[in-house]
Amino acid sequence: EDQVTQSPEALRLQEGESSSLNCSYTVSGLRGLFWYRQDPGKGPEFLFTLYSAGEEKEKERLKATLTKKESFLHITAPKPEDSATYLCALTNTGNQFYFGTGTSLTVIP
Amino acid sequence: GAGVSQSPSNKVTEKGKDVELRCDPISGHTALYWYRQSLGQGLEFLIYFQGNSAPDKSGLPSDRFSAERTGGSVSTLTIQRTQQEDSAVYLCASSLEDRVSNQPQHFGDGTRLSIL
Repeated sequence: EDQVTQSPEALRLQEGESSSLNCSYTVSGLRGLFWYRQDPGKGPEFLFTLYSAGEEKEKERLKATLTKKESFLHITAPKPEDSATYLCALTNTGNQFYFGTGTSLTVIP
Repeated sequence: GAGVSQSPSNKVTEKGKDVELRCDPISGHTALYWYRQSLGQGLEFLIYFQGNSAPDKSGLPSDRFSAERTGGSVSTLTIQRTQQEDSAVYLCASSLEDRVSNQPQHFGDGTRLSIL
């Protein structure tokens, strides 16, 4: 069965301390991989879509990359306002949508 | 512009009662999705609408759950004879085109349902 696994479950960083979140996946045929940000009490907010291995997308301090087995969300010099849960999701060639359980990021001032 | 709107934002009800949750998608979005999110769990897919039809109902957990969409816009998720295990946040999302097009989904802030 297709699945998405995110690690770590939780991550605490000092402000300015860069790091990466991991999204590993197994899929019969990948159509797209998505990253979302979710703040407490809110719905997920779309960040990026990646379609093929080697693709990269950037937005402010965030950069998403994709290989054939995993995706990384790199956070450069994070700020406290980057604290949130980051969700990874994918669609397969059967048009099914799978979400990971997320990484809870806390950035300490 | 206006995003996906869900109501109510919170709902507390007694076990055995029926509840209706409403979703107003982004104007012009033809695809609409319902998900359930429990504490510490990932999003659980419930149902997908394309226009007013639901080609994928595979995620509905039991026949107590049903959903409809009218006018290609507003959708209602109904849970009959609620049970305590139905307590969760119910999220609605919409996207510009059908599921095949791989468009990102845009989410509302959900309805937090608590069954006493």
